[in-house]
Amino acid sequence: KNEVEQSPQNLTAQEGEFITINCSYSVGISALHWLQQHPGGGIVSLFMLSSGKKKHGRLIATINIQEKHSSLHITASHPRDSAVYICAVRYTGNQFYFGTGTSLTVIP
Amino acid sequence: DAGITQSPRHKVTETGTPVTLRCHQTENHRYMYWYRQDPGHGLRLIHYSYGVKDTDKGEVSDGYSVSRSKTEDFLLTLESATSSQTSVYFCAIRTGEVTEAFFGQGTRLTVV
Repeated sequence: KNEVEQSPQNLTAQEGEFITINCSYSVGISALHWLQQHPGGGIVSLFMLSSGKKKHGRLIATINIQEKHSSLHITASHPRDSAVYICAVRYTGNQFYFGTGTSLTVIP
Repeated sequence: DAGITQSPRHKVTETGTPVTLRCHQTENHRYMYWYRQDPGHGLRLIHYSYGVKDTDKGEVSDGYSVSRSKTEDFLLTLESATSSQTSVYFCAIRTGEVTEAFFGQGTRLTVV
């Protein structure tokens, strides 16, 4: 079974804190995506990774292919970062497999 | 957003009625997907398409059918809606083999 595990499921942080969300998968992948979903909102793609590290502003995503693990980091967190963050992987086929998401709340 | 629009955005329908959701893209991308999102389950694949008239089933395809007669449109049909199909439905596209995935804004469907 192509499982995608995220942790933690829920996360509350104070504004300004450094946040890490983790994603583990079971077999080799073609690509891993980090997605963001605000309450009642659509889904936005933050990153697509197949190796290494990417950075957009305060967001950093890393992937370790050998360990089958990815992390999403948020530096200097802000209340507007409050959202559900979803990890999605694609194996060699056309389908994506999704984690159940991490619900982040950043308190002012 | 890669020019994806879903319609309708909200719908309430009665059990047993047919419902069609539309996903439209403006950039001729090959791969299109329909997902449903339910609490505790995350996003689950219903059907996907890898070209005109080329579709395949996902993990929760029972009770759903799809059609793709044009590159830009991917239709999801609930032949006879049931309350278990109350969900938020997302369309997504993939722009290439190792490229981004983009999602529509979602359709909230309630079957009463």
